[in-house]
Amino acid sequence: EVQLVQSGVEVKKPGESLRISCEASGSDFTTYWIGWVRQKSGKGLEWMGNIFPDDSDTTYNPSFQGQVTISVDKSTSTAYLQWTSLKATDSGMYYCARYRRYYDFLSGYHGQFDVWGQGTLVTVSS
Amino acid sequence: SYELSQPPSVSVSPGETASITCSGDKLWIRHTYWYQQKPGQSPVLVIWQDSKRPSEIPERFSGSSSGNTAILTIYGTQEMDEADYYCQAWYSNTATFGGGTKLTVL
Repeated sequence: EVQLVQSGVEVKKPGESLRISCEASGSDFTTYWIGWVRQKSGKGLEWMGNIFPDDSDTTYNPSFQGQVTISVDKSTSTAYLQWTSLKATDSGMYYCARYRRYYDFLSGYHGQFDVWGQGTLVTVSS
Repeated sequence: SYELSQPPSVSVSPGETASITCSGDKLWIRHTYWYQQKPGQSPVLVIWQDSKRPSEIPERFSGSSSGNTAILTIYGTQEMDEADYYCQAWYSNTATFGGGTKLTVL
């Protein structure tokens, strides 16, 4: 059974850099995708992007492209979400999740986020 | 970009049937996924590929999709089902979530 454990609460200032982590256990890390989802306080879920650890193939939501970097370290079964210069608007809860991907001719790529981490709360404030 | 619309709130009495809708262009093609999120907790997948239920999810949760609308139905709703529910679909390799529906059981 896959488990995803995320790094702890972060409090940062605007302009600072940050990397949060998501460590997987219980299954072969290289056989499934990892996605990142943001949730601002009191708001809904926003998909940020996915990464396939085996070859680091990454897809981003156009809304987050260039704003964050998703990466992995296969040796530690850990996925990362990174900012180089945080803004106050980056504050929120960030979840990693296992993404089970499928393909069919009619729908293209699709799939579910079936295992979620506990979330990492990021607060960016001066 | 692709958009999914959900009603902000749905109310149901205990033991009754709750239906939460999710609307999007040609949604029936895209496969709809449903997540339950209780306050302070991570989302939980309750329905995948329109109507499939993970083994750990109670049988009272059911999903369907036709045309531009997907529906999450909870039969015999219990107080523990009170939560936010989000639909999700893929368009051009990009995931979109609906705005969420707050289910109140009272």
